[in-house]
Amino acid sequence: DIEMTQSPSSLSASVGDRVTITCRSSQSISTYLTWYQQKPGKAPKVLIYAASSLQSGVPSRFSGSGSGTDFTLTISSLQPEDFATYYCQHSYSSLLSFGGGTKVEIK
Amino acid sequence: EVQLVESGGGLVKPGGSLRLSCAASGFTFSGYTMIWVRQAPGKGLEWVSSISSSSSYIYYADSVKGRFTISRDNAENALYLQMTSLRAEDTAVYYCARDIVLHYWGQGTLVTVSS
Repeated sequence: DIEMTQSPSSLSASVGDRVTITCRSSQSISTYLTWYQQKPGKAPKVLIYAASSLQSGVPSRFSGSGSGTDFTLTISSLQPEDFATYYCQHSYSSLLSFGGGTKVEIK
Repeated sequence: EVQLVESGGGLVKPGGSLRLSCAASGFTFSGYTMIWVRQAPGKGLEWVSSISSSSSYIYYADSVKGRFTISRDNAENALYLQMTSLRAEDTAVYYCARDIVLHYWGQGTLVTVSS
């Protein structure tokens, strides 16, 4: 099974900061990597799919990069509505898995 | 508009059973793999099970294998999760979602396993 490891597990940042979250897979997953944002009490929503493709309707301050085993989600200028928990997920094999999540909090 | 609506959650005693349903609309249900994902209170997301469009391929997380059964009825646009031998650690919000890139999710249904 493929394990997904996110870091950090939480971070504090200010509005306007550049934020980077990393996700590492236990084996190569090419670009079969999706990033989700989840707010309390809500279902997750897709931000980035195929490692770097921006989901329609998602602000361009979100970007994704990486391939193989190392991936990055970047928020170029953090906005108040971006305080949430972020998850990565692979779809390389039929046994899907998520990273442990990164909670982005207000500094 | 794509809609996924889960139902069937509730309080159940350890060792008990529960059947979750997910009613789908707004898309050609029979054309998509469907997924169950759960989230324990205050915890992260955990993939539970997947079923291919024609039910030919079914997969389970190790944590539920042998206890949970996923199924679907393409004529009724419905997805199911039969849960047996429930444990306290199965307590979670259960979401159904469409496809292996989970663009669409239901609102979730809470399953609480407690005596």
